Amino acid sequence: DADVTQTPRNRITKTGKRIMLECSQTKGHDRMYWYRQDPGLGLRLIYYSFDVKDINKGEISDGYSVSRQAQAKFSLSLESAIPNQTALYFCATWDGLAGQFFGPGTRLTVL
Amino acid sequence: AQSVTQLDSQVPVFEEAPVELRCNYSSSVSVYLFWYVQYPNQGLQLLLKYLSGSTLVKGINGFEAEFNKSQTSFHLRKPSVHISDTAEYFCATRTNTGNQFYFGTGTSLTVIP
Repeated sequence: DADVTQTPRNRITKTGKRIMLECSQTKGHDRMYWYRQDPGLGLRLIYYSFDVKDINKGEISDGYSVSRQAQAKFSLSLESAIPNQTALYFCATWDGLAGQFFGPGTRLTVL
Repeated sequence: AQSVTQLDSQVPVFEEAPVELRCNYSSSVSVYLFWYVQYPNQGLQLLLKYLSGSTLVKGINGFEAEFNKSQTSFHLRKPSVHISDTAEYFCATRTNTGNQFYFGTGTSLTVIP
């Protein structure tokens, strides 16, 4: 089984809809991250969390919110989706030592 | 503030030829450096990392990178590429006290048969 899983893997939605992307991990890491990937822009940090009571904004948090339900679960919400939020979204975990571990990504299209 | 620059957005190379993917960083403090690979329709996988010690770092799949503090670079190299190396490669940094990672814009490596 994968260490970091994301659901759904693909989602098409309409402008104005609320969307939730979910991330679960079995690595036991405290630190979890949400990134979005756009062609030519690399990965940009949306939010990160060190535990269920610690949530931090990243570079591009506007229009997004997150919830850390447990050590293993970190959800990203788009309260009212807009077309420029069309992107590939990645969840990642980190043990505080080496590099991060990434999920397979969620491809979101907002029409 | 930190930033990472990958000057080459696309690098085509023939199979079995050597390749170098360039990465430069800027930071006012000491950093840790990483290279990740992203195969089509997959997440990122850690190729190698520099935390301290020897400036020549060896990673998976025959890749290596050299940390050059004076030139603020961390270029990725492989002496002989395979078709299976076709992927997107990302350079990233983190300060030695920070919790955020900063990624470059990526380099698309295409290995030509």
